[in-house]
Amino acid sequence: AQSVTQPDIHITVSEGASLELRCNYSYGATPYLFWYVQSPGQGLQLLLKYFSGDTLVQGIKGFEAEFKRSQSSFNLRKPSVHWSDAAEYFCAVGRYETSYDKVIFGPGTSLSVIP
Amino acid sequence: DTEVTQTPKHLVMGMTNKKSLKCEQHMGHRAMYWYKQKAKKPPELMFVYSYEKLSINESVPSRFSPECPNSSLLNLHLHALQPEDSALYLCASTQNQARSTDTQYFGPGTRLTVL
Repeated sequence: AQSVTQPDIHITVSEGASLELRCNYSYGATPYLFWYVQSPGQGLQLLLKYFSGDTLVQGIKGFEAEFKRSQSSFNLRKPSVHWSDAAEYFCAVGRYETSYDKVIFGPGTSLSVIP
Repeated sequence: DTEVTQTPKHLVMGMTNKKSLKCEQHMGHRAMYWYKQKAKKPPELMFVYSYEKLSINESVPSRFSPECPNSSLLNLHLHALQPEDSALYLCASTQNQARSTDTQYFGPGTRLTVL
């Protein structure tokens, strides 16, 4: 079955340090991949998405992600983290079921930033 | 305007009450979604409306009743809920019919507590 995993439940980094959040997917065809961020008490906001083409995708707020088909991964990176990046991060995959598309979210990674 | 609004922000209700959640967008989007999100968990899809018609019902109990009066408005009517229904209810919209390639724009959610 198609699924999305995020191996890290919680990550803590110092402000200014680099960040990498891991995402692995299981999907037979070429997946549609997304990263969303959710700040406390807020809805989700799209950071970036990948459908095809260049495997390095640039997003908002200085984030980027790299699609690696051989590793079934879509890891999110940021070279220098800001305190405002503390939030919950969800990797997601779009998939087609019997009659409709849906987006499946991974379990999320909670990011804490130390000043 | 890329905003999805939800009212109320917080709602406390008893198990015998009837209440409604409201979601509104003025982006001209033609698909709207309800998600349920428990604490520390990813959003779970409940319903999808495409062009004001219910296109997806993810086997949600009948005590949740969605309604789409027009292309800008989505309601979720609640009746005889259980304490385990307490969660953050998120509304989202996409530009076209529900396709997993489309960016979903999320509202801030309604925090529901069932006593």
